[in-house]
Amino acid sequence: GNSVTQMEGPVTLSEEAFLTINCTYTATGYPSLFWYVQYPGEGLQLLLKATKADDKGSNKGFEATYRKETTSFHLEKGSVQVSDSAVYFCALSDLLMDSSYKLIFGSGTRLLVRP
Amino acid sequence: AAGVIQSPRHLIKEKRETATLKCYPIPRHDTVYWYQQGPGQDPQFLISFYEKMQSDKGSIPDRFSAQQFSDYHSELNMSSLELGDSALYFCASSLKLAGGHTQYFGPGTRLTVL
Repeated sequence: GNSVTQMEGPVTLSEEAFLTINCTYTATGYPSLFWYVQYPGEGLQLLLKATKADDKGSNKGFEATYRKETTSFHLEKGSVQVSDSAVYFCALSDLLMDSSYKLIFGSGTRLLVRP
Repeated sequence: AAGVIQSPRHLIKEKRETATLKCYPIPRHDTVYWYQQGPGQDPQFLISFYEKMQSDKGSIPDRFSAQQFSDYHSELNMSSLELGDSALYFCASSLKLAGGHTQYFGPGTRLTVL
């Protein structure tokens, strides 16, 4: 079945450092890909998405490019802030019987940014 | 902008009790999903509804049932609660006409079973 693999955390960085969180996927067909962020004690917030190969999703300084040839969707940010500390989930959309979609999540990567 | 609303936000129950979780999707969204997130784990798909019809089921125990009502809100009913049911339960909604891929999540209901 379809699956998502993320790099294990925690990832600890100093403020203004460059961030990369790796995400690879296994899927039949052409899923959409997502990054969701979960701040402590809160729900899941959609961070960015890409719906087809070579699409780049971006939001709040974060970027990820849908790479079909490497089946990857790595999350990057040029300069992290303390407020970016959270758990980041990579996810793909998996087709259901009635043409709606469920999300399959990776295991999540905890990011801790130190001042 | 209106978001997905879930109630209650926190719920404490004893073993073998029942619980009902409610979800109000974003206005005009026609599809509702339920996910379960155990401590330190990723969210797992439980069940979904499109236009008040059950769409698909994931790893949802037989003790759990759900439905979507005419106003599109959904309820997840959980009976004979077990300690292992303690988790964060998310509801998400999407609009099929917009492609249906993008799901917006509510803040979750944290269920603790004692």
